[in-house]
Amino acid sequence: ETGVTQSPTHLIKTRGQQVTLRCSSQSGHNTVSWYQQALGQGPQFIFQYYREEENGRGNFPPRFSGLQFPNYSSELNVNALELDDSALYLCASSVGTEYEQYFGPGTRLTVT
Amino acid sequence: KQEVTQIPAALSVPEGENLVLNCSFTDSAIYNLQWFRQDPGKGLTSLLLIQSSQREQTSGRLNASLDKSSGRSTLYIAASQPGDSATYLCAVRPANAGNMLTFGGGTRLMVKP
Repeated sequence: ETGVTQSPTHLIKTRGQQVTLRCSSQSGHNTVSWYQQALGQGPQFIFQYYREEENGRGNFPPRFSGLQFPNYSSELNVNALELDDSALYLCASSVGTEYEQYFGPGTRLTVT
Repeated sequence: KQEVTQIPAALSVPEGENLVLNCSFTDSAIYNLQWFRQDPGKGLTSLLLIQSSQREQTSGRLNASLDKSSGRSTLYIAASQPGDSATYLCAVRPANAGNMLTFGGGTRLMVKP
């Protein structure tokens, strides 16, 4: 059974650019949540997708958006990148919205 | 709004010591509490998950307790080893509101040989 995978591992972007991060959920999981973890802090919830629909959102601006595909993989898109968007982005999947989440290895985004 | 605090923020101990990490939360309406380990630049590894109806969970040298009414949890690590060096995060899941997690800021642990 394959766990949660994320791509890319690292990337560097320039302020003002746009970025897309990808997450493949664990087999059998239909729910994906995204978290942002700034250096030295705990992860913060960005949003969750359940069966291709947004199911909840944290305190993040609209330039953070997402998609979930029919195979339950997901994308996180960030427009108009700011320096403070530099962080580790974690994806987690679960069997529905009421079960334990399992985390991927993360994508390290650096905005210069 | 749920807030989760972890004390201390950093801890350095010699190998072999028993140690306690603390986590407090402001809203006692939780479904469960989970402790994670995170190595530098890596993802999260789940260590222990305590349901709101439980008082403690144990796994090997780790023991986590939960006092929901007072909004506190502790992670006890027995006979610490250099391989235990990592950041430890606690996270709470709200009752009746899905499985989104609210995390504390973590405790960075260094165990010196």
